[in-house]
Formats: sequence, C-alpha cells, structure tokens
Amino acid sequence: GENVEQHPSTLSVQEGDSAVIKCTYSDSASNYFPWYKQELGKGPQLIIDIRSNVGEKKDQRIAVTLNKTAKHFSLHITETQPEDSAVYFCAASRGANNLFFGTGTRLTVIP
Amino acid sequence: EPEVTQTPSHQVTQMGQEVILRCVPISNHLYFYWYRQILGQKVEFLVSFYNNEISEKSEIFDDQFSVERPDGSNFTLKIRSTKLEDSAMYFCASSESGAEGYTFGSGTRLTVV
Repeated sequence: GENVEQHPSTLSVQEGDSAVIKCTYSDSASNYFPWYKQELGKGPQLIIDIRSNVGEKKDQRIAVTLNKTAKHFSLHITETQPEDSAVYFCAASRGANNLFFGTGTRLTVIP
Repeated sequence: EPEVTQTPSHQVTQMGQEVILRCVPISNHLYFYWYRQILGQKVEFLVSFYNNEISEKSEIFDDQFSVERPDGSNFTLKIRSTKLEDSAMYFCASSESGAEGYTFGSGTRLTVV
C-alpha cells in the first residue's frame, strides 16, 4: 500500500519568513495530493491540493509543488503569520477513495 | 459554511463495552468516511461508505467495527468490545466526489479505561 513520509515533524519560523514542509510517497499510482491544516480541537481542514497532471499550484500565500519522478511534494507558506501556527498534514490518494496521511508537522510562527 | 458534525466530542468507556460514534455529514455529500488518529501518530483510514454500503475498508476495520447510515442524515461507527488500544481521536468526513474535497468533522476523542 501507499506510504507517505513527512518532514520535519516540528518547524518554528519567525513571523514574515517562509515555511516549507516536504512529503514523499511510495505508490506511483497516487494522483491526488491534498494538504490539511489542523488547529487545536478541530478536524483537518483542506487548504490546498494538487493533481498529478500539474507541477505547481498557488493560492495567495500558499503553494504546493509536485515532482512525480521523485515522488515528492512540498507545501510552501510565504509571509507567515501567527495564525498559520497549526499542525499540517500531507496526504496522497489514487483519487478514488481513501487518503494516506503523513505524520504531520507542527508549525509555530513566532511573532 | 457547511460542516460535518460529530457527537460526542469526548467519550470515556470501560474496556469491553460497546460505543457508537455519531456523525452528520454535509447534506449533499455522497461519500462518507471514518478515520482515526492515535495520539502522536498518523491519521489512518478506517472505512468508506457510498450508496449505502461499504466501498473500502482498511485492515484496522475488522469485525469489531461496523458502520451504519440509519436514516437520511446520520452516519455511525460502532465499536464492539472496546480495547485500550482503541483509544484515539475518530474523525468522520464526507465528500461530494471521493477523495477530493473532503470535509472533516472535529472528531470524537475516545478513551477506553
């Protein structure tokens, strides 16, 4: 089955700096890669996703890049703000049904 | 914004007891899911449900678990003979079209003592 690895497990950045979180996946058939943000006491919330026919996608301060050959994808957050502090999860799917999640990254933005 | 609602938010149960976790998916969604997250570990897929039947389940989802959509709005996860290792956060999710565009609920924290 699919195995998704995520790094780093914790990340602290100064407000205004950029944050990058990286994930790798094992199943070359995976074709859908969402990123979720989980705040304390809440469920994961979809923040951006990318499909395998696209190499990069951007939504304001958030961008995701995908390298299908190397089987890795990354989340980039620019101009970080304190409200970006949360746990971020990457995931991979064949698009049909269930998601395979990474282990999560706890991002702390220091004011 | 439409939400997936889960109740209760926290459930404590004695080992060996049965629990039912409840979820109200978003009304126009057709796909329903249960995931769990043991403290400090990955979010893990348990089961997906579509057209009133299980469409996929993981190795975790053995005979101890069952799901049901008893009416037009609720989606439940039943865990029989709970074990200590069943302690986890259980998330319900729903989507219009499979894995893309999930909406997760806030979760039920199950503690088995």
